Parts: sequence; C-alpha cells; structure tokens
Amino acid sequence: EPEVTQTPSHQVTQMGQEVILRCVPISNHLYFYWYRQILGQKVEFLVSFYNNEISEKSEIFDDQFSVERPDGSNFTLKIRSTKLEDSAMYFCASQKAGSNTEAFFGQGTRLTVV
Amino acid sequence: KNEVEQSPQNLTAQEGEFITINCSYSVGISALHWLQQHPGGGIVSLFMLSSGKKKHGRLIATINIQEKHSSLHITASHPRDSAVYICAVKKGTGTASKLTFGTGTRLQVTL
Repeated sequence: EPEVTQTPSHQVTQMGQEVILRCVPISNHLYFYWYRQILGQKVEFLVSFYNNEISEKSEIFDDQFSVERPDGSNFTLKIRSTKLEDSAMYFCASQKAGSNTEAFFGQGTRLTVV
Repeated sequence: KNEVEQSPQNLTAQEGEFITINCSYSVGISALHWLQQHPGGGIVSLFMLSSGKKKHGRLIATINIQEKHSSLHITASHPRDSAVYICAVKKGTGTASKLTFGTGTRLQVTL
C-alpha cells in the first residue's frame, strides 16, 4: 500500500542551526501539508502546498520556515535558524485531487533542538 | 475555546469492553477524520466521513451534522487498541483545506 515517507525519523540539532525535514508523498497526490505537534499538545497546521506554491499557512509558519518541492517527488520543510520552541514532532501529509479526499500522514520526524 | 472538543481525555477499559469516544465541533465542516496515534508518534487515518456511519472491522464511526457531533466506537476492545484517538475536521470545501485537530483521547485497554 502506498505511504507517505518522512526522513529522518529523529533529528537533534543545536539552536540556531538550519534543519531540513524531508517527505516523499504518495506519488499521484497533488496536495501536501506540514503539521507539527509539540509534546503533550494537539497537532497544529503549518502550511499547505499545491501546484508549486503555498496555498495556506498558519501564524506559526513565519519567515524562519519555508517549503519546497525541489524535484517532483520530495517535499521539504526548512527551518532556517532553529529555536528551542521548534522542538516537536513534524508530520507531512498528502492528498490526491478531488473534493473530500482523504489525507495520508507520514510517521513523523521528531525534532529536538538543544 | 477549541473548535474541536473530545471527550473523555483519558479512558481505561478492560479487554472486551465496548468503547465510545466523542467529538464535538463548533464550526461548519466538509468532513471529519478519526485518526489513531500510537506511542511512537505516527498518525494513521481510520475514517473520513461527512455523513452517516462507517464501519471497519471492530471500529465504527458516526457523525450527526446537525448536532455537530461524531462518535468513534470500538467493539470487543483489545490491548492493541491502546493509543491516542484524534478527531480532526476539515472546514473548507476546497481540497487543500487544512485539518483542525482535537486534543485527542488517550485509550488504555487492559487485560
């Protein structure tokens, strides 16, 4: 069964460093999302992406964040200068075209900023 | 106030019990998802529904659009059902509409 793949599963980085979280969405999906979950809190929307541009972004998704689909298969989330409060589980999701189609989630990347 | 509220927050059941988890939302939605999150953190989609009822194995999900309420039922619960169950709603009608999540219900099923 096709699945969304995220790498790495766990990343530890020093405060101020740049990180790139990678996602390979399901191949015929056209809509892509990043969500995050701070430990003990609910999942929060970060950004949605379609047709090579951002469709919607939340207040969390400030200038330190960027997304890219560099090669038609990967979908990346970059955090330019990480802060302690960026420590969270980051989930990628993808969805195929059509109204009310289901979103499929990756297993997540646990980012720890020290 | 959260747009998506779940109850209970925590639930302990004995193996074999019938379990109900509730989700109420305060906004108009186009679809509601039930998701499962295991201790490792990964999220698995269980159901997406916009009306009526869906069944998959021992899991049943219902939604009442007029009352803005959904329930997830687990029949003949088993310790492997232990996980966090999350309700999430899609507010917009466009495909790219984001999901808004509830805080989850932590279920533990004991022998």
